[in-house]
Order: sequence, then C-alpha cells, then structure tokens
Amino acid sequence: AQKVTQAQTEISVVEKEDVTLDCVYETRDTTYYLFWYKQPPSGELVFLIRRNSFDEQNEISGRYSWNFQKSTSSFNFTITASQVVDSAVYFCALSETLPPSGTASKLTFGTGTRLQVTL
Amino acid sequence: NAGVTQTPKFRVLKTGQSMTLLCAQDMNHEYMYWYRQDPGMGLRLIHYSVGEGTTAKGEVPDGYNVSRLKKQNFLLGLESAAPSQTSVYFCASRQTGASGDEQYFGPGTRLTVT
Repeated sequence: AQKVTQAQTEISVVEKEDVTLDCVYETRDTTYYLFWYKQPPSGELVFLIRRNSFDEQNEISGRYSWNFQKSTSSFNFTITASQVVDSAVYFCALSETLPPSGTASKLTFGTGTRLQVTL
Repeated sequence: NAGVTQTPKFRVLKTGQSMTLLCAQDMNHEYMYWYRQDPGMGLRLIHYSVGEGTTAKGEVPDGYNVSRLKKQNFLLGLESAAPSQTSVYFCASRQTGASGDEQYFGPGTRLTVT
C-alpha cells in the first residue's frame, strides 16, 4: 500500500523566516505524481504543485520551492521569507492507480503539517 | 466556469437520519471522487466513479452509498447517519487521460452528526 508521511505535525515560525515542510512517500508504482496542497483556515484545498516521478528537477515559484529526491523518496517544500498569509495546513499527496481499471487513480494524502507564521 | 461545487456547505444531522450530498462539476470530467477529512488523518477516499453510471468503493466506503446518474453530478448518500460520520467531505474531479493526475476539489461540506 502506498503511504505518505508528514512527520511534522505543527511548525511555528516568525515572519520572514524560511521554513521547510517534509514529505516522505512509499510506492511500488514506477510512474506516479506527487502533489502539495494548501488548506487555509477557510477550509478549501488549494493546489500548489504537481511533480512527475520522472522529473527530478527542483522547482521554484516565487517564495515557494520544491525539492524532489527519488533516491530518498522525499518531496520537500520550502517557503522562503514566510508571511502570515502562509499560515495554513499543508498536505503532501501521492497518486495511486486504482484497480482494476489501471487508469483511474486516487490521491493518498499525508496527515498534514500545520504552519503558523506570526509577526 | 464554477469548477466543482458542493451542496450543502454545512449540515447537522441526528443519529439515524439520512441525507444526500451533491457534487457538481462543469468541466466535463470523467472521474469523480468523494473524500472525507478527519482531524489528524488527512483525506481518505470513500467512493469514486470513472464515468457516468459507474461507481466503486474507496478505502472507507462503509455507511455510504453513491450514484453517478449524470456525468456532471456525483451524489453521496448517508442512509442512517452515525456520529462517526461527523467529518468534512470533499468532492473532486479529474479528466481521464489528463497528464498529471491533478484532481480539482470542491469547497467541502461540514457534516455534524449528533
């Protein structure tokens, strides 16, 4: 069975600090996708990034960056110069093929990391 | 486009009551999903559908039924609500063949069973 582990339950930082959210996954699929979602206090799930298992290039989007390392099965997320608006729960997720179709898939979510950014 | 919408946004039920949660998407997606989110547990798949008229069980299907009579709608039913079904329910959709497996989520329905 696939598994996503977010060992950090809660992180508190002061604004402008950098913070890294860890994500470790387990899968037997050779092709898979990894995701990060943000869930602000309002409750909706906001898509942040998708990464294909064949693409190990790191990605940067503004203050956000992602480090994908297949060798350690990790997909870590760094926020540079954090802001109060970054306060949210962040979920890492892994796509998993659903039998018997072989085409349908579901997302396996980690338990989330609550980030609190204070002034 | 509205994307994925869910009705209702909030609901309080008494144990044993029944209700139906409605999910609608206007993106012509084939795949639709129902997840539940509980504190400290992330999201777990309840049921899913790979097309109109088809449904399948996810990892936590007990106590729920679903129907996909129209492509754009995916209904989640609770026949006899139990306090253990107090949760936030998210619907999602995805286009078949789309690269990336990205699922589009609705805003969620907060259900409390007393």
